[in-house]
Amino acid sequence: AQTVTQSQPEMSVQEAETVTLSCTYDTSESDYYLFWYKQPPSRQMILVIRQEAYKQQNATENRFSVNFQKAAKSFSLKISDSQLGDAAMYFCAYRSWGTSGTYKYIFGTGTRLKVLA
Amino acid sequence: DTGVSQDPRHKITKRGQNVTFRCDPISEHNRLYWYRQTLGQGPEFLTYFQNEAQLEKSRLLSDRFSAERPKGSFSTLEIQRTEQGDSAMYLCALLKREMGNEQFFGPGTRLTVL
Repeated sequence: AQTVTQSQPEMSVQEAETVTLSCTYDTSESDYYLFWYKQPPSRQMILVIRQEAYKQQNATENRFSVNFQKAAKSFSLKISDSQLGDAAMYFCAYRSWGTSGTYKYIFGTGTRLKVLA
Repeated sequence: DTGVSQDPRHKITKRGQNVTFRCDPISEHNRLYWYRQTLGQGPEFLTYFQNEAQLEKSRLLSDRFSAERPKGSFSTLEIQRTEQGDSAMYLCALLKREMGNEQFFGPGTRLTVL
């Protein structure tokens, strides 16, 4: 069974600085997707960035980028030029095929990011 | 706005009572998920619908839980004889093909069982 581990329950970053959130996963599959989701306090969870396992190039979305190390099963999120609005819970997620022929998502326990003014 | 609404946003109930939550997609999407999220944890898969068919259920979904999706549009999740351990956030999510098969989450229903 696949697992997703986020070992940092909480992280802090100074506004305008850079922070990296860690995620490791375990799987025997070769074809899968990895995601970072953001869940602001009392607000909906939204997708930040995704990475396809067969792509070696790391995904980038504006200030958000990932460091995908497939052999090490590591998938970290880097947030550059941190803003107050980045404060949220961040969840790493793994996607594979479920038994019903659709996607099945497995989430980590999350990292709470605090942004200090 | 992710195009998914959930009602109610908060529900407080006494142990032993039945509760029902609703998930409404703004537009039609054939694949719908329910998750449970307890404090300090990530979302855990409960069940999945393709149109009106419930195709997969987690072992977390005990006999007290039932989910429906009549006509393949909105979905309901009912919990009978609630227990304090049912206290959690219940999230609904849609898989949107036109958005690269990404999941879009609703705001969730926070259930507190006293």
